[in-house]
Amino acid sequence: SQTIHQWPATLVQPVGSPLSLECTVEGTSNPNLYWYRQAAGRGLQLLFYSVGIGQISSEVPQNLSASRPQDRQFILSSKKLLLSDSGFYLCAWSLGRGDINEQFFGPGTRLTVL
Amino acid sequence: LAKTTQPISMDSYEGQEVNITCSHNNIATNDYITWYQQFPSQGPRFIIQGYKTKVTNEVASLFIPADRKSSTLSLPRVSLSDTAVYYCLVGSYNFNKFYFGSGTKLNVKP
Repeated sequence: SQTIHQWPATLVQPVGSPLSLECTVEGTSNPNLYWYRQAAGRGLQLLFYSVGIGQISSEVPQNLSASRPQDRQFILSSKKLLLSDSGFYLCAWSLGRGDINEQFFGPGTRLTVL
Repeated sequence: LAKTTQPISMDSYEGQEVNITCSHNNIATNDYITWYQQFPSQGPRFIIQGYKTKVTNEVASLFIPADRKSSTLSLPRVSLSDTAVYYCLVGSYNFNKFYFGSGTKLNVKP
């Protein structure tokens, strides 16, 4: 069966510090991978998605970046965090094929920027 | 991708049937309609997906009229554990991008 991992679960960082969030998927190959951010009480904002190794599409211009160094690994980074980067970060995967195009989410990382 | 519009919130009582309607006036011919459920501090979870008429699974039904400009998620006999945010998404079958709006916050009362 497929599983998706994210770490860390929670993170408190000062403004201006770097960020690295990691997401890995097990039990599938060549998945589409996604990073979302959810501010408190709001909907999900799509940040990045990737259809393959080294292929990253950015949805929102910001101080964040994403990389996909391996087929099932997706990393979200920042060189300098802003207060507005606080939120709940979710990684997800989908196959983009088959009878139902379903997206599967990880447990999330709660980031607080102080 | 077609924009979707949902009510911000709804209240219901345990045991009632709940219908949440989503408007998607600009839906394209090859677009599917998908609904997700999200509990606090968790990622969304797939509920149901459909293209036209009616789709039913073990947890919900999805009703789509002939013009497909709206859809209705029906939850039979809700319980307190159905309190969550419900999102309606529209996209082509092999779409790679998923846009979640603000969703509908369903509050089930005892």
